[in-house]
Amino acid sequence: DVKVTQSSRYLVKRTGEKVFLECVQDMDHENMFWYRQDPGLGLRLIYFSYDVKMKEKGDIPEGYSVSREKKERFSLILESASTNQTSMYLCASSGGGQGNYGYTFGSGTRLTVV
Amino acid sequence: AQSVTQLGSHVSVSEGALVLLRCNYSSSVPPYLFWYVQYPNQGLQLLLKYTSAATLVKGINGFEAEFKKSETSFHLTKPSAHMSDAAEYFCAVSGRRDDKIIFGKGTRLHILP
Repeated sequence: DVKVTQSSRYLVKRTGEKVFLECVQDMDHENMFWYRQDPGLGLRLIYFSYDVKMKEKGDIPEGYSVSREKKERFSLILESASTNQTSMYLCASSGGGQGNYGYTFGSGTRLTVV
Repeated sequence: AQSVTQLGSHVSVSEGALVLLRCNYSSSVPPYLFWYVQYPNQGLQLLLKYTSAATLVKGINGFEAEFKKSETSFHLTKPSAHMSDAAEYFCAVSGRRDDKIIFGKGTRLHILP
């Protein structure tokens, strides 16, 4: 089975800190995604990547950046954490033909910014 | 463009009763459709998917969904609810093989003893 691993289940960070959320997949998938999930708002796409060193903005990229130096790893960076970035962050990956294969999700990182 | 609407942000059913979670989609091309489940503090797990084969799709944990083109619907059902089914369920749509998947806002299923 494809495995998507997010490095932390729970994180508490202070306002203004630079925060790194790491995601690793083990099935040589081309496509990787970062979402945030908030009550009543569903999943919102932050950034995605279709290849190494490639990145595309999603629906809510402000305040975030990403890095994909290796195919298996996709990092989400909060440049200066703010309280409104307290959320559940979900990483996902898929192979070519994502539209019909679907995504595999990690277990999520619940980030609290204080 | 594709979109999906889930009717009801919360649904409650009694244990042993029928589960019905509603999903309607909009797509300019024949869609691919998915249902995902999310248990508390977990990621999303694929329940089932429709990819233009049989219109009745069977998934894990006894769930199934029927693709109805005339109604643009893909409702999720389970004949008999179990306490372990309490979770949030997401319907999702994609228009083409290489398109991103668009998720609905989710329906939280509560099971009453």
